[in-house]
Amino acid sequence: QSALTQPPSASGSPGQSVTISCTGTSSDVGGYNYVSWYQQHPGKAPKLMIYEVTKRPSGVPDRFSGSKSGNTASLTVSGLQAEDEADYYCSSYAGSNKYVVFGGGTTLTVL
Amino acid sequence: QVQLVESGGGFVKPGGSLRLSCAASGFTFSVYHMTWIRQAPGKGLEWVSSISGGGDSSSYAESVKGRFTLSRDNTQNSLFLQMNSLRAEDTAVYYCAREVWWLPDFWGQGTLVTVSS
Repeated sequence: QSALTQPPSASGSPGQSVTISCTGTSSDVGGYNYVSWYQQHPGKAPKLMIYEVTKRPSGVPDRFSGSKSGNTASLTVSGLQAEDEADYYCSSYAGSNKYVVFGGGTTLTVL
Repeated sequence: QVQLVESGGGFVKPGGSLRLSCAASGFTFSVYHMTWIRQAPGKGLEWVSSISGGGDSSSYAESVKGRFTLSRDNTQNSLFLQMNSLRAEDTAVYYCAREVWWLPDFWGQGTLVTVSS
């Protein structure tokens, strides 16, 4: 059982927007602005899409955006494209004892 | 560009040992904390261990504490994970990653560890 809770699946048609949630506690997501989101295509390594809740690394399209409210972080993918179909994982710093926790992952399907 | 290349994975019997390596290039290795994250077949990601840039401080997940040891050689830009007393539940792809503010940014392609009798 993962420390952070994500929906197992999400879907949308090309051009639509989809939001994936990531719910933790005040000891992780709610306690720190260190939340990241990763995209993983089958058989590939995860790729950083969002860091520090809202920041995008260079090269990540601005269709990807992050936010946080209380103990829940969210990843929004706007203008869905076929190549966005992948697994998405959230992660959060959880303090010096638990260090880093991950969500169970969400499979995004582009219909 | 940042590159991380893992090696050392393979097949091992329960109770056995393996040493994973990660060769880093494209960035100033000694400045960054580094981390190992694993992914069991068909499962999600699990943080395993992290080490400071100088190698003087490390942290471990409870599931591997006392069995795994993380070290680094900054003269060789290399990271090592010594895994002892391996169990079936340690079977996973092990990813080496660079850390920024505790969270991984760049990841290697991973190396598969299979623990089975």
